[in-house]
Amino acid sequence: GENVEQHPSTLSVQEGDSAVIKCTYSDSASNYFPWYKQELGKRPQLIIDIRSNVGEKKDQRIAVTLNKTAKHFSLHITETQPEDSAVYFCAASRLAGAQKLVFGQGTRLTINP
Amino acid sequence: SQTIHQWPATLVQPVGSPLSLECTVEGTSNPNLYWYRQAAGRGLQLLFYSVGIGQISSEVPQNLSASRPQDRQFILSSKKLLLSDSGFYLCAWSRPDTQYFGPGTRLTVL
Repeated sequence: GENVEQHPSTLSVQEGDSAVIKCTYSDSASNYFPWYKQELGKRPQLIIDIRSNVGEKKDQRIAVTLNKTAKHFSLHITETQPEDSAVYFCAASRLAGAQKLVFGQGTRLTINP
Repeated sequence: SQTIHQWPATLVQPVGSPLSLECTVEGTSNPNLYWYRQAAGRGLQLLFYSVGIGQISSEVPQNLSASRPQDRQFILSSKKLLLSDSGFYLCAWSRPDTQYFGPGTRLTVL
């Protein structure tokens, strides 16, 4: 089955700097890669997703890149703000059938003012 | 627009007691439904998923069970809770691909 590895487990950056979180996956048939943000005590919220037919997707300060050959994808947050502090999860699945998401272990991002 | 509800929001139960958590989705039909558990400070573990009424697939063998009596209703149950069942239980739906999570139920087993 699919296995998703996420790094780093914790990340601390200065406000205004960029943050990058990386994930690798094992199933070459996976073709859907969402990223979720989870604030303390809250539900995970989808922030961006990418399908395997594109290599990069941007939404304001957030971008995701996908390298299908190497089987890894990354989340990039630019001009970080204190409200970006949260736990971020990557995930992978196939866009067919039950579409079970396999999640990475999470990255705790702290933005220092 | 679609909304997903879970109740109760919090629950404190003694070891050995039964459990019933409910999840309902509004504004869509025939969604895929999922139950996840998140232990404190940990990642998301898929427990069950369902692609239709009465169709339940289990991901992790344990003392929990799930049922889908109606198209937009998903129930998580246990006959006897263990201490290790404590955690944050999240229901999610998708149709066709993006998963959206409910507000969750925080369960503490004492």
